[in-house]
Amino acid sequence: RKEVEQDPGPFNVPEGATVAFNCTYSNSASQSFFWYRQDCRKEPKLLMSVYSSGNEDGRFTAQLNRASQYISLLIRDSKLSDSATYLCVVDLDQGGKLIFGQGTELSVKP
Amino acid sequence: DGGITQSPKYLFRKEGQNVTLSCEQNLNHDAMYWYRQDPGQGLRLIYYSQIVNDFQKGDIAEGYSVSREKKESFPLTVTSAQKNPTAFYLCATSRDSHNSPLHFGNGTRLTVT
Repeated sequence: RKEVEQDPGPFNVPEGATVAFNCTYSNSASQSFFWYRQDCRKEPKLLMSVYSSGNEDGRFTAQLNRASQYISLLIRDSKLSDSATYLCVVDLDQGGKLIFGQGTELSVKP
Repeated sequence: DGGITQSPKYLFRKEGQNVTLSCEQNLNHDAMYWYRQDPGQGLRLIYYSQIVNDFQKGDIAEGYSVSREKKESFPLTVTSAQKNPTAFYLCATSRDSHNSPLHFGNGTRLTVT
């Protein structure tokens, strides 16, 4: 089992759609979780941290499910500009070893 | 202006040569990281350092070496032992190693022929 695993994608959705990505992690003791966005040939940019109680930032909602060891990212009312690769990051051992999932590509079409 | 500087942006080397990638930060962050990204794939952790004069291997450390002599600097050397060195290399920092997100430099694209 991979340490951090994401839905492979790609996800092709129309503008205005709601789309959700999942990311599973192997170590139940993990405490820190993040979602990043990466545009083609660029460095990743922080989208949001994931808190235990779940958190929302505009059209974006992040959730943590400790029992099933996954985090999720929900994007509502998709825009063309949301097209990118979405990466989850997990601090697996609470010692600063931050591991990325392989990324999920999203393409939002008119 | 605070930030993370990686240089150069593009680097070309012949097979068998060692090459050192630079990463400098003025964010006063404690932790620094090196990741490698291959086309269509996620980022894989090479080495990370949480404090000066200390660093740990990531998942793919073979063929690479690092040093952390100063808080601001975390250079990565790609040695001739690395079998497939051509990749996009990303340096990142975080304020500390507890619940702090990563901040990335612009990356260095290394091509070895």
